[in-house]
This record gives sequence, C-alpha cells and structure tokens, in this order.
Amino acid sequence: NAGVTQTPKFRVLKTGQSMTLLCAQDMNHEYMYWYRQDPGMGLRLIHYSVGEGTTAKGEVPDGYNVSRLKKQNFLLGLESAAPSQTSVYFCASRPDTSGGYNEQFFGPGTRLTVL
Amino acid sequence: GEDVEQSLFLSVREGDSSVINCTYTDSSSTYLYWYKQEPGAGLQLLTYIFSNMDMKQDQRLTVLLNKKDKHLSLRIADTQTGDSAIYFCAETGAGYGGSQGNLIFGKGTKLSVKP
Repeated sequence: NAGVTQTPKFRVLKTGQSMTLLCAQDMNHEYMYWYRQDPGMGLRLIHYSVGEGTTAKGEVPDGYNVSRLKKQNFLLGLESAAPSQTSVYFCASRPDTSGGYNEQFFGPGTRLTVL
Repeated sequence: GEDVEQSLFLSVREGDSSVINCTYTDSSSTYLYWYKQEPGAGLQLLTYIFSNMDMKQDQRLTVLLNKKDKHLSLRIADTQTGDSAIYFCAETGAGYGGSQGNLIFGKGTKLSVKP
C-alpha cells in the first residue's frame, strides 16, 4: 500500500493564479482531511469529507474549495492564490471506526509558495 | 473556543529524558494522541491513551493523563538524536465535526536533542 500520497510535492504560484492539490489514499478510508501548517500555528483544518460526494468546512476554509468525487481522492483547489496561502498542506485520511479511536494517516505534504 | 496548548520548544541532551506537556480542553475526548513529525515529513501517530487510563507505557515512551487538570504528558526515556522532531498533542474536539471524530492539534513542541 502506498498509503496517502500528495501531488505535487512543491509548487510556486504567482498571486491570482489557480491550482489544484491532489490527495489519494489506497486504504479505502471514509474520512479525508486537508490541513495547512504554518510556523507557530500548528495544524489547522481547512476542509474535510466524511465520505464520497461529501465535503464540510473546517477552521480556515476561506479561499479554498474541495471535491471528493471518488472515495480515494480528495482535491483542494485555490481559485485565486494569495501570499497568505503560502504554507505546507497536508492531507490525511482515516477509516470509519466505532468507539472513538480516530487515528489519522498523513501524506508527506505539499509545500506551496505564493509570490 | 478550543485550544490544545503545548510549549513550542524543548532542548535536551542525548541520553536524558524528555518530557513534553500538553493541556487540552474537551473532557469528553475518548482518546488522546501524540503524533510525531520528522523534518520534511507528514505526521505519524506515535502513541495514544484511552481516557479511562492514567498511564500508558510503550518501550521508551510513557504517557501520563490527568483528567482532572486536563493535562497530558509524553516522556521519552534515553532520548536519542533520532528523536529530534516536532511532537503534536491531539484531542477529539467538539467543533469542526468533532462529533464525526475530527482531531484538534496543539501547535507542536519542537524537540532538539544535542549530542
């Protein structure tokens, strides 16, 4: 199993450009997440999905859109990139479990710079 | 709002014990987690503790939970240079889909191990 993979690993954008980050998981997980990580801010949840065809807003959703057309893929879109979106983006997934145990499995991250 | 608090930095000498502390907010969290992030990588689950336990030991790792004070700690015995990483405490938060098992992460403690 490849686990959680993210494409691309690095990207530099100019202000106003758009791009899509792809997350793929081969573990048949129901739940998927997009986080951003900034120095001194920890991980902040952008959007998440509880299953194919569903999406929901997290803590910092503004400026981002997501889609979960296939269970294994979760796409994060930036329609008009801003320098404030310079960050490292992590995708994560987890299975649907009972009993409250919620281990999330993380991808290696995408480092995005917006000039 | 919810906030998981951690100190940002810890520096120890190789062979010493490291203790990383965390305070959390949601007393209903069934599990509490410690994740490790090595440089340039995503997060990986290091260990976790069930909320009805006071302590959990796993080789060099000891997790202590004080539910009354909502305090969680991670002790690493005989710390090695390979333990240098960022350590995140996480709980299941009530917001942002907490009822669906979303995690709230602390800002992370950067552990530096000096030889």
